[in-house]
Amino acid sequence: GQNIDQPTEMTATEGAIVQINCTYQTSGFNGLFWYQQHAGEAPTFLSYNVLDGLEEKGRFSSFLSRSKGYSYLLLKELQMKDSASYLCAVGLRNSGNTPLVFGKGTRLSVIA
Amino acid sequence: DVKVTQSSRYLVKRTGEKVFLECVQDMDHENMFWYRQDPGLGLRLIYFSYDVKMKEKGDIPEGYSVSREKKERFSLILESASTNQTSMYLCASSFLVAADTQYFGPGTRLTVL
Repeated sequence: GQNIDQPTEMTATEGAIVQINCTYQTSGFNGLFWYQQHAGEAPTFLSYNVLDGLEEKGRFSSFLSRSKGYSYLLLKELQMKDSASYLCAVGLRNSGNTPLVFGKGTRLSVIA
Repeated sequence: DVKVTQSSRYLVKRTGEKVFLECVQDMDHENMFWYRQDPGLGLRLIYFSYDVKMKEKGDIPEGYSVSREKKERFSLILESASTNQTSMYLCASSFLVAADTQYFGPGTRLTVL
């Protein structure tokens, strides 16, 4: 089976840095995605990692370690508008057509 | 920009009614997906389609069916709605099925009374 774990909730202060972790155990691996979802809205794509290392995109960075089955999303200079759920999703490498496997998401609350 | 639209943002139906949720994408994507999202359970895949008239069951297909007669349109059907199908329904599309960015529609919040 496929398993993706993320913390359920996190709270951080405006202006601070927060790291949201994601661990996965899957049969095959072909990349890891992060999505942001504001309450009542659709998920929107944030980042994609397929090789080990850090990918930086403005205030957001995403890191991947394939050997450890681990990724994190790093948010810097937190703003109130960053309050949202963050979903980790894994692409599988296998012979069939298998869609992305999503974690349950981490709800981040940014407080003043 | 990819655009995925869903027929309704909010829908209220009675138990036993037949319900149609429609999704349209404008990026010529081969693959389309239907999810439901519930608090604490995350996104759960109901059905997906990798080509016109082709469909595959996801993790929770019971009580649902789908239709894909045209490439851009993917419909989710609740044959006889029940209260446990009250949920947020999200449609998505992507170029590839596996390991590809999915683009989501705005969602339909369905309430079954």
